[in-house]
Amino acid sequence: AQSVTQLDSQVPVFEEAPVELRCNYSSSVSVYLFWYVQYPNQGLQLLLKYLSGSTLVKGINGFEAEFNKSQTSFHLRKPSVHISDTAEYFCAVSDDGTYKYIFGTGTRLKVLA
Amino acid sequence: DGGITQSPKYLFRKEGQNVTLSCEQNLNHDAMYWYRQDPGQGLRLIYYSQIVNDFQKGDIAEGYSVSREKKESFPLTVTSAQKNPTAFYLCASSGQGRSNEQFFGPGTRLTVL
Repeated sequence: AQSVTQLDSQVPVFEEAPVELRCNYSSSVSVYLFWYVQYPNQGLQLLLKYLSGSTLVKGINGFEAEFNKSQTSFHLRKPSVHISDTAEYFCAVSDDGTYKYIFGTGTRLKVLA
Repeated sequence: DGGITQSPKYLFRKEGQNVTLSCEQNLNHDAMYWYRQDPGQGLRLIYYSQIVNDFQKGDIAEGYSVSREKKESFPLTVTSAQKNPTAFYLCASSGQGRSNEQFFGPGTRLTVL
């Protein structure tokens, strides 16, 4: 069965600085990967997804992620963060053979003025 | 506008009472899901349904029940057998297939008094 690890539970960063949120998944022959954002007391919103093809995936709000098969990683990056990016970010992988997602435990991004 | 609605936004329950959380979608999605979210634990799957009149237990189904009588609706009942029901509950839906992303509702926060 798949698993997802988000090592950083909290990431503080100053406004306009770059940020990287890390995500590692367990190995699989084929894998579909997703990043979601959650603002306080709201549902999750899709930022981007990797299905196949180019390993660099661009998403909404200036975020991008790079799929690295050899390192089984799918890290999320943004070159310059804003206060409004303060939220919790979840990495997810689609489980082999089912419609289930496996979610990481989330990374709380706090952007400081 | 297409989307997922959950009601109510906030719900209070006395111990020993059953309570039903509503989830409706107009995205014409076949698959629907219920997740429980607790601080620091990410999202845990309670139940999911891939088609009308069929559903499967997720990772933490004990103390919960669901029905899927209509494509658009997937209500979750939190029974008195659930020992620690206070949490944030999220409903999601998706098209068929592993590559389809899940769309989330705004969530229901359940508090047991």
